[in-house]
Amino acid sequence: DTGVSQNPRHKITKRGQNVTFRCDPISEHNRLYWYRQTLGQGPEFLTYFQNEAQLEKSRLLSDRFSAERPKGSFSTLEIQRTEQGDSAMYLCASMGTPLREQYFGPGTRLTVT
Amino acid sequence: EDQVTQSPEALRLQEGESSSLNCSYTVSGLRGLFWYRQDPGKGPEFLFTLYSAGEEKEKERLKATLTKKESFLHITAPKPEDSATYLCAVQPRERDDKIIFGKGTRLHILP
Repeated sequence: DTGVSQNPRHKITKRGQNVTFRCDPISEHNRLYWYRQTLGQGPEFLTYFQNEAQLEKSRLLSDRFSAERPKGSFSTLEIQRTEQGDSAMYLCASMGTPLREQYFGPGTRLTVT
Repeated sequence: EDQVTQSPEALRLQEGESSSLNCSYTVSGLRGLFWYRQDPGKGPEFLFTLYSAGEEKEKERLKATLTKKESFLHITAPKPEDSATYLCAVQPRERDDKIIFGKGTRLHILP
């Protein structure tokens, strides 16, 4: 499989619980992005990695959010003490060289009850 | 500030009725403009990249064009399976790590 994969596809959690999502990018791509998307909106940038280095974080990314990309391969996005406002689709995208279009995974739909 | 505005927000067409979607952008130098298709509950699917004014790309019933201030996605004789949200995004020349998305146009093709 040469596409971007994300797990889980759906997550329902109670307010206050922690959740973790995983993204596996296209293997030769060294840039990995996380976005959040709510209904009727385009993807909103959260953070991105160049190999294992996290190079930028959006102001949207509160201190309850943390992302890692150990060894520059897969990435995880963790949300601690979830709130109802965190309910959204979380998208992962990877970008190869030359730095052009991004390829997205299927997303993880988070519902916080 | 870099910005992407898509219009209309939503569009309903009869099968076979051609139309165009608009993407207006403000960016300090354009490195690339991208079109994506997104089906409900799924991630965006890459369609086209345009790099310079005057460039055109085609795929089946879709054709994307680019000017210095906007891009159009023309859909010719659409079919119900073309129903989706179409997203436009720009990449500034000075920041190749930054991709700015519009809110998308929801396209519904009636049989």
